[in-house]
Amino acid sequence: DSGVTQTPKHLITATGQRVTLRCSPRSGDLSVYWYQQSLDQGLQFLIQYYNGEERAKGNILERFSAQQFPDLHSELNLSSLELGDSALYFCASSSGQGGWETQYFGPGTRLLVL
Amino acid sequence: EDKVVQSPLSLVVHEGDTVTLNCSYEVTNFRSLLWYKQEKKAPTFLFMLTSSGIEKKSGRLSSILDKKELFSILNITATQTGDSAVYLCAVFDSGGSNYKLTFGKGTLLTVNP
Repeated sequence: DSGVTQTPKHLITATGQRVTLRCSPRSGDLSVYWYQQSLDQGLQFLIQYYNGEERAKGNILERFSAQQFPDLHSELNLSSLELGDSALYFCASSSGQGGWETQYFGPGTRLLVL
Repeated sequence: EDKVVQSPLSLVVHEGDTVTLNCSYEVTNFRSLLWYKQEKKAPTFLFMLTSSGIEKKSGRLSSILDKKELFSILNITATQTGDSAVYLCAVFDSGGSNYKLTFGKGTLLTVNP
């Protein structure tokens, strides 16, 4: 158990809908990272937040957005969902701003878009 | 565009065998290379490599980086069924203020008893 929690575990929704994925980092960790893992694209970095501010951006679509709240939990919002958005979404956390090398991954949220 | 290529894509061995997994990369501003093990759930961190020629070792696993030839290898000796997993290689690119972590597609290792 990494100490990172993600909810929900599974999510099934329809095309065109909007969903919110939630992540609680390990106690004391200020950085939160979001990743998408699909069969065809593999694991892809989406976005990083550090202490409430966006710090780095990866392959995140414009239909997706994220934020980190004052209590350091983070939410990833996916809108206008398409079939291709079906994937496993991981959140990870680390203690420092540049702590990429020591990220702890949560168990993931499996999203299925029908 | 940053690129990370792992080989082989899949590997099946018997317990006790030694395996070598490969990762080659092309990135603009290399900072580090990371290896992860992913079983059924989330990836877990194995190694971080930043300097060429320095072997990192943890039990039966070891890894080394060659920054001149732009590749890394992950060795697993005396494999066990518990080593069965997808092994992911990722390269951290830190060009200016834009950080990026690019993953390879992974190598699926199956260790049969």
